[in-house]
Amino acid sequence: EIVLAQSPGTLSLSPGERATLSCRASQSAGSYLAWYQQKPGQVPRLLIYNTSNTAPGIPARFSGSGSGTDFTLTISSLEPEDFAVYYCVLRSRWPPGLTFGGGTQVEFK
Amino acid sequence: VQLQESGPGLVKPSETLSLTCTVSGGSISGYFWGWIRQPPGKGLEWIGYISYTGNIDYSPSLKSRVTISVDMSKNHFSLTWNSVTAADTAVYYCAREGGPGAFDYWGQGILVTVSS
Repeated sequence: EIVLAQSPGTLSLSPGERATLSCRASQSAGSYLAWYQQKPGQVPRLLIYNTSNTAPGIPARFSGSGSGTDFTLTISSLEPEDFAVYYCVLRSRWPPGLTFGGGTQVEFK
Repeated sequence: VQLQESGPGLVKPSETLSLTCTVSGGSISGYFWGWIRQPPGKGLEWIGYISYTGNIDYSPSLKSRVTISVDMSKNHFSLTWNSVTAADTAVYYCAREGGPGAFDYWGQGILVTVSS
């Protein structure tokens, strides 16, 4: 089973700053890496799929990149509504399965 | 597309939990449908998925206790969880996997508490 490690656990930033969130897989498993945003009491929202494709309706300030075992979610300029928890998810062909990372909380500095 | 979880909000330890996710505004055909849970204050955990063709996969750590099934005629899919414990207290979500790892539609979630 692939393990996803997200870092940092907490990211303290101010509105307007750039946020860089990391997701590292325990082994290379393709590019079916997605990112989700979850605010307190809300359902997770899909931001990025297939590593770098932005989901419909997601602002352009969100972007994804990476390959192999290292993936990144970048928020180019934080808006007040972006302060939330972010999860990466990997769908792997081998070993087959799906794994969530532990999450990164983006909080007001 | 809308998803709605239904089932008991309270289950006793060692009992069986059964949840159903009803899909409206679209067909189950053509997609994978998953269950995900989130213990209070913790992260998301994938439970498993089922496809409209009946292909099923489970999280290795949970598969001994979980069964997912689909009923195409009712446009819903279900989760059965055996011998629940307090550690299974969580919000249970159903979701459509529109692409690999891309859950694009979610139910609102149902809080299941395991307590005597």
